[in-house]
Amino acid sequence: DAKTTQPPSMDCAEGRAANLPCNHSTISGNEYVYWYRQIHSQGPQYIIHGLKNNETNEMASLIITEDRKSSTLILPHATLRDTAVYYCIVREGGSNYKLTFGKGTLLTVNP
Amino acid sequence: DSGVTQTPKHLITATGQRVTLRCSPRSGDLSVYWYQQSLDQGLQFLIQYYNGEERAKGNILERFSAQQFPDLHSELNLSSLELGDSALYFCASSVAYGETYGYTFGSGTRLTVV
Repeated sequence: DAKTTQPPSMDCAEGRAANLPCNHSTISGNEYVYWYRQIHSQGPQYIIHGLKNNETNEMASLIITEDRKSSTLILPHATLRDTAVYYCIVREGGSNYKLTFGKGTLLTVNP
Repeated sequence: DSGVTQTPKHLITATGQRVTLRCSPRSGDLSVYWYQQSLDQGLQFLIQYYNGEERAKGNILERFSAQQFPDLHSELNLSSLELGDSALYFCASSVAYGETYGYTFGSGTRLTVV
């Protein structure tokens, strides 16, 4: 699996958009970008994933650059409950297995 | 409730002992994954089962073993426990393997070895 680089921490004001960056410069053509988050020792929660195109669901939007070497997870209106560690992961589609978690970004949403 | 059930939620045991952690996957999911999360190591993949068969192995110690039963629940057995085995143990499940959508994690078992 390709490695990812994320800032260790970020702050965001409640109600504002949170933009979490991720670099994955060695990503291969068949590798997907996944985002998970973990709220204080709870089980990680799947947020979104994408291959080439930008994606949006009820939780977030994922913007992938044209060269696919980086991506941004956008939480459009952050709330205090979005305070969590956010993990950006790349994984080969069609493979059988594991997600490799890095250290992630601790997002703190402030009132 | 994610649909993945892990029991027990908390476990305290002494060094040298053996424990069994249980995971029931979401209804319809055939794959089960085990992860260990300790303070200094982050989330580490241990092992994956698909429909009763082992499919992938990660950083799982020889003192640890797992299996998936015909009803698809899985158990992680930890033996000869050491203080360093204290961690959160998460189970995740997915419909199959190789699909591109995300896994669903349970709420974990917190193991404390004293």
